[in-house]
Amino acid sequence: DQQVKQNSPSLSVQEGRISILNCDYTNSMFDYFLWYKKYPAEGPTFLISISSIKDKNEDGRFTVFLNKSAKHLSLHIVPSQPGDSAVYFCAASASRITVFGKGTRLSVIA
Amino acid sequence: ETGVTQTPRHLVMGMTNKKSLKCEQHLGHNAMYWYKQSAKKPLELMFVYSLEERVENNSVPSRFSPECPNSSHLFLHLHTLQPEDSALYLCASSSSGFGEADTQYFGPGTRLTVL
Repeated sequence: DQQVKQNSPSLSVQEGRISILNCDYTNSMFDYFLWYKKYPAEGPTFLISISSIKDKNEDGRFTVFLNKSAKHLSLHIVPSQPGDSAVYFCAASASRITVFGKGTRLSVIA
Repeated sequence: ETGVTQTPRHLVMGMTNKKSLKCEQHLGHNAMYWYKQSAKKPLELMFVYSLEERVENNSVPSRFSPECPNSSHLFLHLHTLQPEDSALYLCASSSSGFGEADTQYFGPGTRLTVL
């Protein structure tokens, strides 16, 4: 059974609007959460992370929110730009193990 | 070279061949990882090495054999693979493998096709 779930395989957003990508996890032992972005023919690149002791982390246009009671995290991108079009992976980490979701393909339409 | 590099980028092999994938990291990290990404599946962790010692092996078939001669290099030796092993194989590294230092940096991957 998947420990990290991204239930939306794809998302389309207009340029300039907010993109919200969601992720749910099942294991309460996870203490560090990450978002990665992947372009075709490239490996995933680290985007932003959050520790379980925080509920929000912001880096420029990217903000990650963590709701531990709901075992849910989300990535907000605002404003969305066409260059943000990629597959976004949510990941959760405990000790040396990082578990990834299946990814959400974001398309930002000009 | 910077970051994490992988060679070859593409590999086609028959089921009876033996080949090796190579990964090199130029980040001064102590932990290295092999992942498998199949179509429509999440990234699957295969092996973790920390300070050249294997610390996790996620029940990967023995036809995949990792080797970590030093903290900068990681190999994945392949033999008698099956067509279902066709996938993108990603290497990653992190500074220590623990907590916030476990942010992993990925190479571009090797696209493997087994005929």
